[in-house]
This record gives sequence, structure tokens and C-alpha cells, in this order.
Amino acid sequence: DVKVTQSSRYLVKRTGEKVFLECVQDMDHENMFWYRQDPGLGLRLIYFSYDVKMKEKGDIPEGYSVSREKKERFSLILESASTNQTSMYLCASSLFAGAYNEQFFGPGTRLTVL
Amino acid sequence: KQEVTQIPAALSVPEGENLVLNCSFTDSAIYNLQWFRQDPGKGLTSLLLIQSSQREQTSGRLNASLDKSSGRSTLYIAASQPGDSATYLCAVAASNDYKLSFGAGTTVTVRA
Repeated sequence: DVKVTQSSRYLVKRTGEKVFLECVQDMDHENMFWYRQDPGLGLRLIYFSYDVKMKEKGDIPEGYSVSREKKERFSLILESASTNQTSMYLCASSLFAGAYNEQFFGPGTRLTVL
Repeated sequence: KQEVTQIPAALSVPEGENLVLNCSFTDSAIYNLQWFRQDPGKGLTSLLLIQSSQREQTSGRLNASLDKSSGRSTLYIAASQPGDSATYLCAVAASNDYKLSFGAGTTVTVRA
């Protein structure tokens, strides 16, 4: 079974803090994704990565950056957290680079920025 | 831009009744369509993936159909149980990129 894990289930941070959300997958998947999910807006893609050190912006990259130094790990960084970044953050991975395949999701991190 | 719609937004049925969940999309040039289940406060669990060349996919009590030309997919859950209560999301992959376009979901309540 594919396993995607996220470093925290719940996180509370203060405005202006630098926040790191970590995601690890154990199935040697090429692609990894970060989404945020908000009531009424559904899931929106923030960034994705199709290989180590490779990344592409999704639909809402503003205020976020990402890092993929190893194939199994994909980090989402909030350089200076703001209250409008309070959300549920979901990481996903899929197998092949260069083609879409089934996406598998982690359990999510509920981030609250005060 | 691909738009994905799920109607109804919420559904409540008595235990044992069959569930029919609808998903429609505006651009028929899709690579595949995926159905997910999400429990409150949790991540998404993949239920079924239908490739664009397929008409349907089955797993246990779940059956998903795909009609690309009309831009529709339907998820059938037979003999519903209270444990089926969750939000069900469909997502469409465009033919030319990695991105999934998600519907807003249908929240299902199965009453015992």
C-alpha cells in the first residue's frame, strides 16, 4: 500500500512566523503535490514537483514556496504566515513523471495562523 | 478552464438504499477521472480511477461510470451502510498536464 505521511495533523502558528509542512511518501513516486482545502472553495493546487529539485507553480502559489531535495520528501514553506493561510493542507503523490497517474493523499495538516 | 460540478451538495438516505452521486465536467479532453472519499477532518482516500478509454470501473459495492462525450461520471454505492457516510469528491485530470480539477463534493449521510 502507498503511504503518504505528513509531519503534523494540527499546527498553530503566529502571524509572521516561518512555517514548514513536511510530506513523505514511501513508494518511490515521481510526482508530489501540495493542495489547500477551504470550505466553499474545494481543493486548490499550490505547487507540484515531478522530480527531485524540480517544481512548478499550481493555481495559488503566492505566499508559498516548496523544496524537494530527496525523492520521497516534499516540503511546503510559508515564509511569513498570515491569517488567510489558515487552512487544511493536503499532500499527494503519484507514480510516473511525464504522465498523470492515480494520486494518493496524506492525512492532512490543519494549520491555524493567529 | 476545466469546471467540475457535483450535484447534489448533500444527500441523506436510509440504510440499505442505493446511492447515486453525480459528477459533470466541462472539457471532455480528459486523461482520467478519480473518485475520492473524505471523512471529516481527514485526508482523501482514492476509491476508483477510470481511464478515459474506459466506460466503468468496479470495486466491491462501488461502481463508477464515465461518459466522456457528455462530460459525466456517476458513482453508484450499492446497499448503503452508515459507514459510507462521508464526503465524496470527483477529480478530473486534463490530457496535457498533471493537474487535477476537483468538484466541491457531495456529503452523504446514511441513517441507521
